[in-house]
Amino acid sequence: GQQLNQSPQSMFIQEGEDVSMNCTSSSIFNTWLWYKQDPGEGPVLLIALYKAGELTSNGRLTAQFGITRKDSFLNISASIPSDVGIYFCAGLLSEGAQKLVFGQGTRLTINP
Amino acid sequence: DAGVIQSPRHEVTEMGQEVTLRCKPISGHDYLFWYRQTMMRGLELLIYFNNNVPIDDSGMPEDRFSAKMPNASFSTLKIQPSEPRDSAVYFCASSLGSPGNTIYFGEGSWLTVV
Repeated sequence: GQQLNQSPQSMFIQEGEDVSMNCTSSSIFNTWLWYKQDPGEGPVLLIALYKAGELTSNGRLTAQFGITRKDSFLNISASIPSDVGIYFCAGLLSEGAQKLVFGQGTRLTINP
Repeated sequence: DAGVIQSPRHEVTEMGQEVTLRCKPISGHDYLFWYRQTMMRGLELLIYFNNNVPIDDSGMPEDRFSAKMPNASFSTLKIQPSEPRDSAVYFCASSLGSPGNTIYFGEGSWLTVV
């Protein structure tokens, strides 16, 4: 079946550092979504990407939809303690498709 | 606006008991999803509905699992009989079907079967 390979699986950084994570797949996606999950909560949408090459920012977060439509990255600049959590990429395989395929998640830990 | 509302938030039950999880999607959304999250398998789609009709239930583990959506504002996921391996977080999510749709998750129901 379709899979998203998300890396790294975990990150341990100092407060103030920049963070970068990515997702790749052998399949072509029409939409990429990035979610964050805090402990005890459901995933919350951070950024949605709809076109190949699209670069979108949301505050300190920046994400891009790869030109090949098989990858996406998420960057967080100047990390702060509340950025701690698990970040998931998710993709939709075709326009109008409703089945999200999720990556395995990147667990971010920040040392103050 | 209220988000996706799930109940119960936490449930501990004995093996063999019936478990019913409930979900109220965001008003106006026409798609509803049930996901399961475990450490081993991550987030898995179990089933989704469009306009109250089940569209794809290929992710439902086995006959012990069933889901219904009797109306646009309510859905249930039932496990009967429950087994310890069903212990997981079950998320309900909803979306408004359109190109570039976005799926919103509830806070989850944390199920422990002992």
